[in-house]
Amino acid sequence: AQSVSQHNHHVILSEAASLELGCNYSYGGTVNLFWYVQYPGQHLQLLLKYFSGDPLVKGIKGFEAEFIKSKFSFNLRKPSVQWSDTAEYFCAVNARGGSQGNLIFGKGTKLSVKP
Amino acid sequence: DTAVSQTPKYLVTQMGNDKSIKCEQNLGHDTMYWYKQDSKKFLKIMFSYNNKELIINETVPNRFSPKSPDKAHLNLHINSLELGDSAVYFCASSQGMGQVYEQYFGPGTRLTVT
Repeated sequence: AQSVSQHNHHVILSEAASLELGCNYSYGGTVNLFWYVQYPGQHLQLLLKYFSGDPLVKGIKGFEAEFIKSKFSFNLRKPSVQWSDTAEYFCAVNARGGSQGNLIFGKGTKLSVKP
Repeated sequence: DTAVSQTPKYLVTQMGNDKSIKCEQNLGHDTMYWYKQDSKKFLKIMFSYNNKELIINETVPNRFSPKSPDKAHLNLHINSLELGDSAVYFCASSQGMGQVYEQYFGPGTRLTVT
């Protein structure tokens, strides 16, 4: 069965610090990979996605992620965080060609940015 | 324009009641989903519905029944509500479900069962 692991439950950073959130998945086939963000009290918004091609993908708000197939990883990065980046971040994967089409989510990483 | 909308946003009800949550998408997508987010923020798929085919997640109690009157709507009906049903329920939609696609999420419905 597919699964997604996010290594950090809660990350606390000061503004301007660099961010890297880990995500690993388990699935032997081809996958689509996503990072979603959930700001306090709001719905999930897509930060970035990887389907194929360049393994370094850029998303909104200065976020990027790198797909490393050999490590089954899709880590999220941002060079300099802002207080407004305080939110919950979810890594998700779905199997290409799967019959259900649903996303498998990691348990989320809460990011708190201190001003 | 709201792409995926849900009503109500908040729902407070007592144990044993039956309630429904409505979802509508105006993106022209052919696939819709229901996810449950528990108190620890963990998101888990409940159902996916593609072109009138319902894919049931076997871990979902049969008190939960999705109903899709057309491709733009997927409602969630819950019978005999229990305390453990308290959660945030998210609806989502996508075009296709097997290859390259992304899901768009609604704002969520916070269900509280007392």
